[in-house]
Amino acid sequence: SQQGEEDPQALSIQEGENATMNCSYKTSINNLQWYRQNSGRGLVHLILIRSNEREKHSGRLRVTLDTSKKSSSLLITASRAADTASYFCATDAADYKLSFGAGTTVTVRA
Amino acid sequence: DAGVIQSPRHEVTEMGQEVTLRCKPISGHNSLFWYRQTMMRGLELLIYFNNNVPIDDSGMPEDRFSAKMPNASFSTLKIQPSEPRDSAVYFCASSSVTGGGQPQHFGDGTRLSIL
Repeated sequence: SQQGEEDPQALSIQEGENATMNCSYKTSINNLQWYRQNSGRGLVHLILIRSNEREKHSGRLRVTLDTSKKSSSLLITASRAADTASYFCATDAADYKLSFGAGTTVTVRA
Repeated sequence: DAGVIQSPRHEVTEMGQEVTLRCKPISGHNSLFWYRQTMMRGLELLIYFNNNVPIDDSGMPEDRFSAKMPNASFSTLKIQPSEPRDSAVYFCASSSVTGGGQPQHFGDGTRLSIL
């Protein structure tokens, strides 16, 4: 079953704009991860945020986590055509088992 | 460094045939995962190995599915007999440490079509 649910399902933006997507989950977590999947490829790990962290940055990526609301957001700043992909959040309530959401499909228009 | 390597990348076969998917994890990783991705169900964990031992196979759909990891550098997922509803993209992933909080490294998947 899918623990994380991303919102929106799809997002279309102009190159240079920021893209924000959200993830909500149901049960308590230890960590939350974000992955990117380009068409026809496997998932690529982007960033991990632990349950005791509120915000984390990696390059043009900014992730927030609000455990009281059971939600996380991923912000991609100054988007590029290469950012066109599907983005998934994954929670690991259990030791090794990641539960992936359905993903947000981001299209960056040139 | 080479990533997770899966073969074949595409497989088209007829219903009833045996299908074998292969995976070579990243060297040094001790955890290996098989996932299935479909539009309807998203990404589902099928089976998890730690140090070559199957730890959790609760996601394996039915007895037609089996997985093995004979050594640290190779794993197979077998479907026998295959059915059209098995059509999906199958991913193998590996990670370096058992336990939560570690990123998983995915192969590029095998796109399986059962006619």
